[in-house]
Amino acid sequence: DTAVSQTPKYLVTQMGNDKSIKCEQNLGHDTMYWYKQDSKKFLKIMFSYNNKELIINETVPNRFSPKSPDKAHLNLHINSLELGDSAVYFCASSQATEQFFGPGTRLTVL
Amino acid sequence: DQQVKQNSPSLSVQEGRISILNCDYTNSMFDYFLWYKKYPAEGPTFLISISSIKDKNEDGRFTVFLNKSAKHLSLHIVPSQPGDSAVYFCAPVGGATNKLIFGTGTLLAVQP
Repeated sequence: DTAVSQTPKYLVTQMGNDKSIKCEQNLGHDTMYWYKQDSKKFLKIMFSYNNKELIINETVPNRFSPKSPDKAHLNLHINSLELGDSAVYFCASSQATEQFFGPGTRLTVL
Repeated sequence: DQQVKQNSPSLSVQEGRISILNCDYTNSMFDYFLWYKKYPAEGPTFLISISSIKDKNEDGRFTVFLNKSAKHLSLHIVPSQPGDSAVYFCAPVGGATNKLIFGTGTLLAVQP
């Protein structure tokens, strides 16, 4: 009965590859988010979707493309991976102000 | 241009004592503030929040204080327990999109 789930939990890949991270929430929330936690442990918003519509798009390289097939899912696709993309990526969802986070996906680019 | 700062990267407290975690922000437009707790290899979990119309909110062992004029808030945990050992993030809500702007985090270690 996990509320916000992400797959995979760990992802190790080579520079230049394309990869996707999936996120699903079973809370019935309308809004979903992607956050990045970098090597300095700063947690920053990347994207937010409300009812499948993009509402937040921070200054993220366009190699990152979120896709929301329905309001329970928000996937993150990353093209041409670079070393600096190595981080922990967290998905979250909310109905009001409080956001519920997934367990994170640790991406390592070699 | 970090808008939210938690100036103590770490804090060590004895079990049973009070833990005080501080947070300073620069944007006077923030009107709602959340605290999150994060264990290693897990996502942040919501702890407590406060609206700018209040100066205090209490939930069990956790109390958050807000000083709007000083743009400062603090989280008090009393009595502290070893299970409270985690990283604590202050997160004001920024703007109409409800995005959270996370602070730099404070690692709390509660010693038995």
